[in-house]
Amino acid sequence: EDQVTQSPEALRLQEGESSSLNCSYTVSGLRGLFWYRQDPGKGPEFLFTLYSAGEEKEKERLKATLTKKESFLHITAPKPEDSATYLCAVRLYSGGGADGLTFGKGTHLIIQP
Amino acid sequence: AAGVIQSPRHLIKEKRETATLKCYPIPRHDTVYWYQQGPGQDPQFLISFYEKMQSDKGSIPDRFSAQQFSDYHSELNMSSLELGDSALYFCASSLHWTRGAPEQYFGPGTRLTVT
Repeated sequence: EDQVTQSPEALRLQEGESSSLNCSYTVSGLRGLFWYRQDPGKGPEFLFTLYSAGEEKEKERLKATLTKKESFLHITAPKPEDSATYLCAVRLYSGGGADGLTFGKGTHLIIQP
Repeated sequence: AAGVIQSPRHLIKEKRETATLKCYPIPRHDTVYWYQQGPGQDPQFLISFYEKMQSDKGSIPDRFSAQQFSDYHSELNMSSLELGDSALYFCASSLHWTRGAPEQYFGPGTRLTVT
């Protein structure tokens, strides 16, 4: 069965303390891995798409990387406004071209000033 | 930049009633997706549409149906509502993968409460 597992479930960091979030997947027919940020009661906000092992993408203090079995979201010198739930999702090939995403349960990140 | 629009933002219904949620995708996006997110849960994919045709189907209950119209907006119809249907319902839109990178952009959601 296709699975997406994120770790840790929750992470509390001091402002400026860098860390990494993990997303491991056991799927067949992967057609993209996505990272989203979600604030309470709001819709997920798109961050990155990764398609192939070795690919890396950066945006401000965030950097996403992908291997054959997992992805990491590295957060460098985080600020309190980076506090949110970070969701990893995979897109599987269904043939229709409008494939739904399968999400992990997320990492709840808190950055303390 | 224009985002996905969902209406209503909040909806309160009683058990066994019906509800209709609306979604207006980002301009030029031709593909629409619906997700359900229960309290403390990750979003669960329900159904998707491209060019008014159902494209992919997830864990959508038989009591729910959806459609996409010629202007690309979509509606999710929910009947015989149950207490367990209380959740945030998100619509997302994207370009079809044949037209470019299919990143899904989510709307602000409709919070449905069934009493």
